[in-house]
Amino acid sequence: QKEVEQNSGPLSVPEGAIASLNCTYSDRGSQSFFWYRQYSGKSPELIMFIYSNGDKEDGRFTAQLNKASQYVSLLIRDSQPSDSATYLCAVRGGSYDKVIFGPGTSLSVIP
Amino acid sequence: GAVVSQHPSWVICKSGTSVKIECRSLDFQATTMFWYRQFPKQSLMLMATSNEGSKATYEQGVEKDKFLINHASLTLSTLTVTSAHPEDSSFYICSARDGGRGDTEAFFGQGTRLTVV
Repeated sequence: QKEVEQNSGPLSVPEGAIASLNCTYSDRGSQSFFWYRQYSGKSPELIMFIYSNGDKEDGRFTAQLNKASQYVSLLIRDSQPSDSATYLCAVRGGSYDKVIFGPGTSLSVIP
Repeated sequence: GAVVSQHPSWVICKSGTSVKIECRSLDFQATTMFWYRQFPKQSLMLMATSNEGSKATYEQGVEKDKFLINHASLTLSTLTVTSAHPEDSSFYICSARDGGRGDTEAFFGQGTRLTVV
C-alpha cells in the first residue's frame, strides 16, 4: 500500500466552479498535512497546511482533515484558469521527520 | 516568508562527472533539509533527510555513495551526484524546515534540472 494516495486525474472543472481534491494516507501516526501546487517545470509551492481535524479556510482554499478516516481534502472555490496545475498532497509522519508526497492530481480549469 | 535558494537551476554534465547542487536557507536556520528527486510526470520522491552536523538518512534504494549529502551548517546543504549517468537526469529539489518555528511546513528551493549526456 502506498503511503499517500491521490487520484491522478486529470480533473477538469469549469471556471468559477468548486474543485475538490482528495488524499488518503496510511500512517495513522501522521501529524501534519500539506497541500502544494506545482506548475510544470517549477518547484512546488505551499498552499495550505493543517494539523487538526476539521476545516481550515484561507481565501478560496479550504483544507479538510479527518484523521479517523485518514483522509485530507482541498477545496478550491471560484476556480480560475490560473489554478490549473498539479496539486500534491504531503504528509509528515509521526515516527520519522520526513514529508512524503502523493502522486499528485492534475487540475484543469476550463475558461 | 522563509526563502530557500537552490543553485544551479539547471546543469548539463557529461557521463562520469560529478555535479554539486547547493541548497541555502537565506533568512532562517534550517535544522533539517530534505532532498527530493522528480522524474517527468511523477511525484517527488524523497531521497534523504539531513540534519545539521550529522550524517544524512537515506531512503531505501538511494545509493549513499552516489548521492553525497553534506549539511555542514544551519544554512547550507549540498547534494553531489557522483559519476553521473544519463539515468540520473532528473529534477532535484531541496526543502528546508525552520527549526526556530517548531512544527511547520518545509520551504522548497527552486529546483535543479540535471541533464547527463
